[in-house]
Amino acid sequence: SYVLTQPPSVSVAPGKTARITCGGNNFGSKSVHWYQQKPGQAPLLVIYYDSDRPSGIPERFSGSNSGNTATLTITRVEAGDEADYYCQVWDSNSDHRGYVFGTGTKVTVL
Amino acid sequence: QVQLVESGGGLVKPGGSLRLSCAASGFSFSDYYMSWIRQAPGKGLEWVSDISSSGKTVYYADSVKGRFTISRDNAKNSLYLQMNSLRVEDTAVYYCARAPMVSAWFDPWGQGTLVTVSS
Repeated sequence: SYVLTQPPSVSVAPGKTARITCGGNNFGSKSVHWYQQKPGQAPLLVIYYDSDRPSGIPERFSGSNSGNTATLTITRVEAGDEADYYCQVWDSNSDHRGYVFGTGTKVTVL
Repeated sequence: QVQLVESGGGLVKPGGSLRLSCAASGFSFSDYYMSWIRQAPGKGLEWVSDISSSGKTVYYADSVKGRFTISRDNAKNSLYLQMNSLRVEDTAVYYCARAPMVSAWFDPWGQGTLVTVSS
C-alpha cells in the first residue's frame, strides 16, 4: 500500500517558520491535503489541493507539492500552532483504493 | 453551521459487535461522500471506510473488510458503521468526516467516539 513519510517532530521558536515535509512516490500526480490536530480534538483541515486554504485558516499556513515531496509551511509561528500535523492523499491503483494519511509530525513551539 | 456528531462507542469484548452513528446537520447530507476514520490511542489516522452520496458505492480498508459495514440514511441525515468480530486492535477513536467528492479531503470531522475492545 501507498506510504506517506513525515518527520516525527519539528521544533520552532515563536515568530519563526516551520516546514513540515511529506514524502511519497509519484507525488507530483497526487493532490495533498493537510490537517492540524490539537490534543483531545478532531483533525482540522488547513490546506487542500496542495496549496489552497479553507476559509478561516490564517494566511500564515501555506502548502506546496513538487517532485516526491509536499511541504506545509507555517510562518510567524504562534504558541497556538503547537499540534500534530498530518498529510493525506488519495491512492488508487489496480489492487488498492483508499485514502492514505502520513505518519504525522508533532510541532513544538519552543 | 455544519456539524457532525458521532455516538455509539463504548467497551466491548473481543468478537463482539457495536454500531456507530453519525448525525449530520447544517448541510445537504445527501450531496456528499462520507467516511469513517479512526485513530488508535497515541497513534496516527487510519481511513476505515467510505460511502457514496447515494449509498450505492462503499469501500473499506483491508484491515476491516468483511467485518465492518458502512451505511447511510439520507432521510435521517445519518451515517452508520456496523462493526462485527471486533478485535483488540480495533480500539480507537472513530471519526466521521465529510468529503466533497471521492478522492478529496475531509472537512469537517466529528468530535469522535471511543471504541474500546478488551476482555
